[in-house]
Amino acid sequence: DQQVKQNSPSLSVQEGRISILNCDYTNSMFDYFLWYKKYPAEGPTFLISISSIKDKNEDGRFTVFLNKSAKHLSLHIVPSQPGDSAVYFCAAVLTGNQFYFGTGTSLTVIP
Amino acid sequence: DVKVTQSSRYLVKRTGEKVFLECVQDMDHENMFWYRQDPGLGLRLIYFSYDVKMKEKGDIPEGYSVSREKKERFSLILESTSTNQTSMYLCASSLSWGRAEQFFGPGTRLTVL
Repeated sequence: DQQVKQNSPSLSVQEGRISILNCDYTNSMFDYFLWYKKYPAEGPTFLISISSIKDKNEDGRFTVFLNKSAKHLSLHIVPSQPGDSAVYFCAAVLTGNQFYFGTGTSLTVIP
Repeated sequence: DVKVTQSSRYLVKRTGEKVFLECVQDMDHENMFWYRQDPGLGLRLIYFSYDVKMKEKGDIPEGYSVSREKKERFSLILESTSTNQTSMYLCASSLSWGRAEQFFGPGTRLTVL
């Protein structure tokens, strides 16, 4: 059973606008969350993370929001750039080091 | 920078053949992982290892085995390939137990005919 879900398989956004990628999870014991970015023919690379004791973490153009009561995580990219076009995976971590990955959302930023 | 390398980028095998996928990391990481990535299913954990000669099953270990004889090297073995093992295989490593970020290799695209 998929414990981490990304319900939108794809998203298209105009360059300069905001991209919002969403992630839902079912296990309330997850205590750390990450976003990874993956280009074709490359492995995923770490983008940003957030601890369950926080509700927001910002790093440049990237902000991750966590709503624990809704078991919902989102990644905001502002402003979106064509180089942001990639597949984005959210991941949730239980105590220990087992990561549970979502199914991915393919973002296309249109110039 | 952490570097995780995988022995092959693309492989084509016939059903029933044995396949070794090798992964090497150069940052003295304790933990190593093998995932497969399939459309609509995301990344699923096959096996992981938190020390030399130690291994743990992930979510989908059936049809796979692993070997970790040296700290820097983690091998995934498919004893007798089947068409449903056609996938992208990703190796990752992390420094320590806990929330440590996982660093990924470039992946191996395996096609089983």
